[in-house]
Amino acid sequence: DTGVSQDPRHKITKRGQNVTFRCDPISEHNRLYWYRQTLGQGPEFLTYFQNEAQLEKSRLLSDRFSAERPKGSFSTLEIQRTEQGDSAMYLCASSFRPAEQFFGPGTRLTVL
Amino acid sequence: AQTVTQSQPEMSVQEAETVTLSCTYDTSENNYYLFWYKQPPSRQMILVIRQEAYKQQNATENRFSVNFQKAAKSFSLKISDSQLGDTAMYFCAFNTNAGKSTFGDGTTLTVKP
Repeated sequence: DTGVSQDPRHKITKRGQNVTFRCDPISEHNRLYWYRQTLGQGPEFLTYFQNEAQLEKSRLLSDRFSAERPKGSFSTLEIQRTEQGDSAMYLCASSFRPAEQFFGPGTRLTVL
Repeated sequence: AQTVTQSQPEMSVQEAETVTLSCTYDTSENNYYLFWYKQPPSRQMILVIRQEAYKQQNATENRFSVNFQKAAKSFSLKISDSQLGDTAMYFCAFNTNAGKSTFGDGTTLTVKP
């Protein structure tokens, strides 16, 4: 399977814990995006990398959130001190050209 | 900032019939891209169709076609010969080819047998 993959697919955690998600993009794609999707809503942009450089961050990305893309390959999204409001689906997408993004299956986070 | 509005939270259609989903957007950009994505229940989001704003011809992909009205900032999706597998949430999205996409809140489409 050469599509975008995300791990884990589901994560349940207690409020205050830290969580980390991983995204592996399509191999030839140099752009990688993180979005958050809550129930009944469209995806909201969080951040974007071109190779290893983080080019844009949304105001939604509070200081509890950090994303990295070392070596311009896979990316991780970490949420520290999780809150119940962080419960959502976290989607990763990759692209070779910005306007053609391919999405992964997402990581569903539940904060108890 | 760009905004995307989908005014129909839910729609239904009989199998084999045609349905049109609406989308309007707001932008000051002249060059951009518009997309329709399909997200089946508990499944991955996939691209259905895309339209470049500089192209006057409406995009078509098999049973899916769009009606792109640039002046009105309208971008509707027509699904012909609806199939049960078309049941999903459909998202309209906008991208300036500079990075992030902006999505509408989606339309839940149910195809009834």
